[in-house]
Formats: sequence, structure tokens, C-alpha cells
Amino acid sequence: GAVVSQHPSRVICKSGTSVKIECRSLDFQATTMFWYRQFPKQSLMLMATSNEGSKATYEQGVEKDKFLINHASLTLSTLTVTSAHPEDSSFYICSAREQDRDSGYTFGSGTRLTVV
Amino acid sequence: AQSVTQLGSHVSVSEGALVLLRCNYSSSVPPYLFWYVQYPNQGLQLLLKYTSAATLVKGINGFEAEFKKSETSFHLTKPSAHMSDAAEYFCAVSDQAGTALIFGKGTTLSVSS
Repeated sequence: GAVVSQHPSRVICKSGTSVKIECRSLDFQATTMFWYRQFPKQSLMLMATSNEGSKATYEQGVEKDKFLINHASLTLSTLTVTSAHPEDSSFYICSAREQDRDSGYTFGSGTRLTVV
Repeated sequence: AQSVTQLGSHVSVSEGALVLLRCNYSSSVPPYLFWYVQYPNQGLQLLLKYTSAATLVKGINGFEAEFKKSETSFHLTKPSAHMSDAAEYFCAVSDQAGTALIFGKGTTLSVSS
């Protein structure tokens, strides 16, 4: 089956630094990838949709300059949290859709970001 | 815009009992509907999905869900709960293939022996 690899699984960074999270589709081409954020005991909130080779589409209220998304290839999308602050601490999950596969979405295992 | 409502943030059952997790959707077009399970600090695992084929959908681990258009519901059931079923369950919807999934708030399932 389709596999999405997300790294790192956990990261702790100092306030003011930047952190990059990678999301890779291992055995399929992902034309579209989605980034979600999940607060403890809460649901997944869509942050942005990225299509290979084009700019990401951000949901209302998500700062595009703070959460930089790059989808340079059909197998890799990255989320960079810039100038991180403690309130950015959260669980980030990516999802990839396989090209031409009817409604097929595969999720990464998530990244726990802690900003100290 | 589409949305899902999961009734009951927490459901507790005894091992061997019926599991029923409720999900109602709102969509202006025929929806694609999904159920996912999440274990602590992990990603989401697909249990089953409805994509306008059979209204009764069978998934993994003995789960199934029935799409009822008249009730705008897609409730998840399992005849006999197992301890390993204890987890967070999310219902999700998209209004067309390829668009982002919109998730419900989730239901925590607890299973007691």
C-alpha cells in the first residue's frame, strides 16, 4: 500500500529558530499534499494544500510567511516553521494524495514540535 | 462548505460489546466520507471510506459504516469491541476527490475488560 514517511517524528527547538519537517511519498507520486496541525485532544486542522510545482494554498488564519511550504517534487513536500515560538508547539501531520487514485489519502506518522 | 459532526467526544464500552461511533455530515454535493483511527502520538490509519459505491462499507479490523443519505449520517460500528480498539476515531469528509479532508472533532473510544 501507499506509504508516506514524515520526519522528524519529534523535534525540540529554541524559540526564534526554524524547523523543517519533511513529508515523502515512498511508493507513489503525490500531486497534492496537505498539512495539518493538531492540538492535544483536538482534531486536525487543515493548514495548507500544496501542489507540486506551484505555491501552496493556505487556509484562512494560517500565516504563510511563518509556515513555509515547498512541494518541489512529486514525492516530497516540506513545512518550515520559521522563527518558532512556544505557541507553535503542536503535532503536525502531512497527507498525500496519490495521483489518479480515487480519493486515496495517506497520512504521515506526524511530527511533535516543542518550542522552548 | 462541507463539515462533519461527531456526536459524543467520549464513548466507553465493555470488551465484547457493540461499538457505535456517530458521524453526521454536511455537504452540498455527494460526499466522500472516511473514518480514521489514531493511536497516541501517531498518524492516522484509514479504517474505511465511502466513495459513492455501496452504502455499506466494510473496513479493517471488523469495522463497518453505513452511508445514509436521508439521515446525512455515516456511523461507524463494530459488533464486538476489543481492548486494542481503544483509540481516537475521526470522521472526515471531502466534497470531491482530491480536495483536502475536513475532520470532525474526534471520539475517544475506551474499552474496559
